[in-house]
Amino acid sequence: RKEVEQDPGPFNVPEGATVAFNCTYSNSASQSFFWYRQDCRKEPKLLMSVYSSGNEDGRFTAQLNRASQYISLLIRDSKLSDSATYLCVVTQGAGAGGTSYGKLTFGQGTILTVHP
Amino acid sequence: DAGVIQSPRHEVTEMGQEVTLRCKPISGHDYLFWYRQTMMRGLELLIYFNNNVPIDDSGMPEDRFSAKMPNASFSTLKIQPSEPRDSAVYFCASSLDRGAYNSPLHFGNGTRLTVT
Repeated sequence: RKEVEQDPGPFNVPEGATVAFNCTYSNSASQSFFWYRQDCRKEPKLLMSVYSSGNEDGRFTAQLNRASQYISLLIRDSKLSDSATYLCVVTQGAGAGGTSYGKLTFGQGTILTVHP
Repeated sequence: DAGVIQSPRHEVTEMGQEVTLRCKPISGHDYLFWYRQTMMRGLELLIYFNNNVPIDDSGMPEDRFSAKMPNASFSTLKIQPSEPRDSAVYFCASSLDRGAYNSPLHFGNGTRLTVT
């Protein structure tokens, strides 16, 4: 089983739609969670962190479910500019010990295309 | 502020040749990471440094790969000899801390390597 798994995608949605991505992680010692965005042929960039209580940033809402070991990203009122690959990122915490502490593991990414 | 700077942007070389990728992290960042991205395997962590010291190189595929960080402002990733399967985009990233919420990864533009 992969350490971090994401919805296979691709997702093709019209402008204005609401779309949600899920991501599961296998290591229960994981400590920090993020969503990164990667545009075509560009570097990944931090979209938002995911906190235990859930958090929102404009049209974007992130949720964490530690019991089920998954995180989600919800995008409301999709824009053409939201078209990108969304990467789920998980880090291991102090409990993992040794050199694994703080190791960031990326999911394969989910491709989103928003069309007019 | 200047971000993470990588060079070259593109590299095309023949199998068997030595390839050297370069990275200048953001000033003041204590952690430097080398990632490789392919369609098949996504983003993979190759190695990371803390204060110029290699901490975890378990992701380095084999002895043909080596990385150095002679000082806080420069790192290299070397492949010798190169093989076609090394073709990928290689990203360098830096951060203040590893895996912390207040310390996201900042990626360089990447080096697109093609080995023929």
